[in-house]
Amino acid sequence: GQNIDQPTEMTATEGAIVQINCTYQTSGFNGLFWYQQHAGEAPTFLSYNVLDGLEEKGRFSSFLSRSKGYSYLLLKELQMKDSASYLCAVRAYSGGGADGLTFGKGTHLIIQP
Amino acid sequence: NAGVTQTPKFQVLKTGQSMTLQCAQDMNHEYMSWYRQDPGMGLRLIHYSVGAGITDQGEVPNGYNVSRSTTEDFPLRLLSAAPSQTSVYFCASRTQGTGGTEAFFGQGTRLTVV
Repeated sequence: GQNIDQPTEMTATEGAIVQINCTYQTSGFNGLFWYQQHAGEAPTFLSYNVLDGLEEKGRFSSFLSRSKGYSYLLLKELQMKDSASYLCAVRAYSGGGADGLTFGKGTHLIIQP
Repeated sequence: NAGVTQTPKFQVLKTGQSMTLQCAQDMNHEYMSWYRQDPGMGLRLIHYSVGAGITDQGEVPNGYNVSRSTTEDFPLRLLSAAPSQTSVYFCASRTQGTGGTEAFFGQGTRLTVV
């Protein structure tokens, strides 16, 4: 089985920086994804890491350490529209050969003016 | 490009009724999956398929059936609806194989069983 942990809720200020952590335990690791989900909407893809290190995409960056089972999503220059849930998801191979995606419970990020 | 299309968007069922949630994708993706999302539980995998004619169970398959007769369609059937199946259901698709191929999600079906 897999276990993915991330904080339930975080609050940050508009214009600031926030880091959302994710820890995981899994076998057959094949990548870690971050998704953004606004209330009442579908998840949308933000970032992907499969090797150790930092991946940067505009205001968003994601980091992975496979040896520590740890990732974080860094959001810079926060905007009010960044208020959403952020989902950490791990892709791993199961015994059947397919590599499914398992999600954490999500971090609800609240941006204050 | 429509992406992943789910129907209906909202549904109310009575306990014991059956229904099918539809999911179609036009991206020629091999891998399709169904998730349910409940407050405090995150997205949980119900069933998935790696190609036409191939399906398998996920984390919470009980009470649901799937089939994959074509690459495009992956319907989810509730055999006898129960209040515990009240949830938001998401269908997702992606290409199979290695690499950072992200999953694309449909807009969800909000199901209430009374």
